[in-house]
Amino acid sequence: GQQLNQSPQSMFIQEGEDVSMNCTSSSIFNTWLWYKQDPGEGPVLLIALYKAGELTSNGRLTAQFGITRKDSFLNISASIPSDVGIYFCAGPDSNYQLIWGAGTKLIIKP
Amino acid sequence: GAGVSQSPRYKVAKRGQDVALRCDPISGHVSLFWYQQALGQGPEFLTYFQNEAQLDKSGLPSDRFFAERPEGSVSTLKIQRTQQEDSAVYLCASSLARSSTYEQYFGPGTRLTVT
Repeated sequence: GQQLNQSPQSMFIQEGEDVSMNCTSSSIFNTWLWYKQDPGEGPVLLIALYKAGELTSNGRLTAQFGITRKDSFLNISASIPSDVGIYFCAGPDSNYQLIWGAGTKLIIKP
Repeated sequence: GAGVSQSPRYKVAKRGQDVALRCDPISGHVSLFWYQQALGQGPEFLTYFQNEAQLDKSGLPSDRFFAERPEGSVSTLKIQRTQQEDSAVYLCASSLARSSTYEQYFGPGTRLTVT
């Protein structure tokens, strides 16, 4: 079945650094979504992408829908402590239900 | 609060017990989803309602899992004869309309532990 592969699995960053993570699939997606989940909470939608090649920003976050429709990336500029959490990519499967990657865990180095 | 709420937040059940998990979606949201999230993994789709109609239950792992939304608002996920492999966080999400179904608002989840 369709799968989403996220990398890296985890990232150790220092405050102020830029962060880049990506999501790939062997099959085509028509929509890509990026969510963030804090401990003990549900995921929160960050950015939704609906068109191949689309580049969308939300504050310090920027996401792109890959031209091949098989990948997407999320960048965070000038990271701050509250950026810590798990970032998930998601996309609709053939039944129009969301499938999710396993997440990229962002950790701030002390 | 105007967000999605779930109760209880934590549930410990002995193997074989039945459990019922409640979700209160955002008022006016047509679509409601249930997901199961294992530790260290992304959510996995269980079932989907549009108003009171359960349109997709393909993700329910067994016939021990049952969900309902009788009046098109509050939903209950019931698990009968719980097993240890049912231990997970159960997330509920709602979205305003079919056209924005992927822009889902999540509750905090119910963490189920089966001992």
